[in-house]
Amino acid sequence: DQQVKQNSPSLSVQEGRISILNCDYTNSMFDYFLWYKKYPAEGPTFLISISSIKDKNEDGRFTVFLNKSAKHLSLHIVPSQPGDSAVYFCAASEDSGGYQKVTFGTGTKLQVIP
Amino acid sequence: SQTIHQWPATLVQPVGSPLSLECTVEGTSNPNLYWYRQAAGRGLQLLFYSVGIGQISSEVPQNLSASRPQDRQFILSSKKLLLSDSGFYLCAWSVWAGSADTQYFGPGTRLTVL
Repeated sequence: DQQVKQNSPSLSVQEGRISILNCDYTNSMFDYFLWYKKYPAEGPTFLISISSIKDKNEDGRFTVFLNKSAKHLSLHIVPSQPGDSAVYFCAASEDSGGYQKVTFGTGTKLQVIP
Repeated sequence: SQTIHQWPATLVQPVGSPLSLECTVEGTSNPNLYWYRQAAGRGLQLLFYSVGIGQISSEVPQNLSASRPQDRQFILSSKKLLLSDSGFYLCAWSVWAGSADTQYFGPGTRLTVL
């Protein structure tokens, strides 16, 4: 059972436009959400996170929105740049008896077209 | 600052051979350590996590094992590799900070079992 879902395997956006990556989750015990960016043959890089007590967190061109009632979060990249082309993983964590268990989505491949 | 090392970067092994992947973290004490696997076209699957020396928890039954002989060293092993063990293996670390537990990943090891 996939508790964190990224239903769009790929997304293409023109440079300068907004990129919106979506993520849905089913586990109401998740209390912390993260986005990671991954280039081929490299480890994921932490991008931005949000606590379940907030509905928005912004860091430069990146903004994460959380809608707890809909169990949905999204990552907005504005403006999109060619260097943003990568696979983006959504992740959610919950307290699992002494440590935070993180569950990852399957990723969305973003291509920013110059 | 904290850094995480993984080696080797790539590995090609025959079926039935043993495996040893090593991960070390610098710049932090008593981190939580994790081993993930990313199979082709799939998300990140948590294999093992460790909250301290000698403390290993397994998330998925398999022919792999993990050990933590030192505070900042995490080793992934197998006595006999299977074809299905091929994938991209990632080590990660985190330090519990209240309600947040952001994981930071190493560069990964690409394992091909022939």
